[in-house]
Amino acid sequence: DTGVSQDPRHKITKRGQNVTFRCDPISEHNRLYWYRQTLGQGPEFLTYFQNEAQLEKSRLLSDRFSAERPKGSFSTLEIQRTEQGDSAMYLCASSTRGGDSPLHFGNGTRLTVT
Amino acid sequence: DQQVKQNSPSLSVQEGRISILNCDYTNSMFDYFLWYKKYPAEGPTFLISISSIKDKNEDGRFTVFLNKSAKHLSLHIVPSQPGDSAVYFCAASADGNKLVFGAGTILRVKS
Repeated sequence: DTGVSQDPRHKITKRGQNVTFRCDPISEHNRLYWYRQTLGQGPEFLTYFQNEAQLEKSRLLSDRFSAERPKGSFSTLEIQRTEQGDSAMYLCASSTRGGDSPLHFGNGTRLTVT
Repeated sequence: DQQVKQNSPSLSVQEGRISILNCDYTNSMFDYFLWYKKYPAEGPTFLISISSIKDKNEDGRFTVFLNKSAKHLSLHIVPSQPGDSAVYFCAASADGNKLVFGAGTILRVKS
């Protein structure tokens, strides 16, 4: 169990640029989640996948955001035309199933939009 | 709407004493509750959970209590240790879906 891996750890970009983050979940976990966390707040749900199917998307996920999990393994989160309000910690988590299975989080990607 | 609330932004406790962190929720459909701990520059780490069919779950120094009628849960840490100093998040889910988190409580354990 190598844990959930996220890349990069930090990303600084200029407003209007596109960015892409990658998440590698724990290998036997079929559920993968993306959350966003801003200072002083708890993680906010963005979207989740069961295998390669994207099952739910938050209203927070504007049309500038897109997430994929093409083969049911790693996932990418892309933000197009970044805005300063997108600056946050983006957290990925995985679990074996819903119900009483806790989420295991990666260490996140910190995005700063200048 | 904040479905999960942690009304205490911070808590300071002496080493060896009990730490009690509180959480309130509004959604009666929540049936699974968790506590996570977060250190700076790391992701949240799962600590302990409880199903709505129970009112208490214990794991070593950590005990979670659930009061469904009051829609309230609490985390007790005893004895508290300096290494417990972190941000603690309460989270809840309904029917196996996404977790909804509170805003967190910063715990400082003084030695």
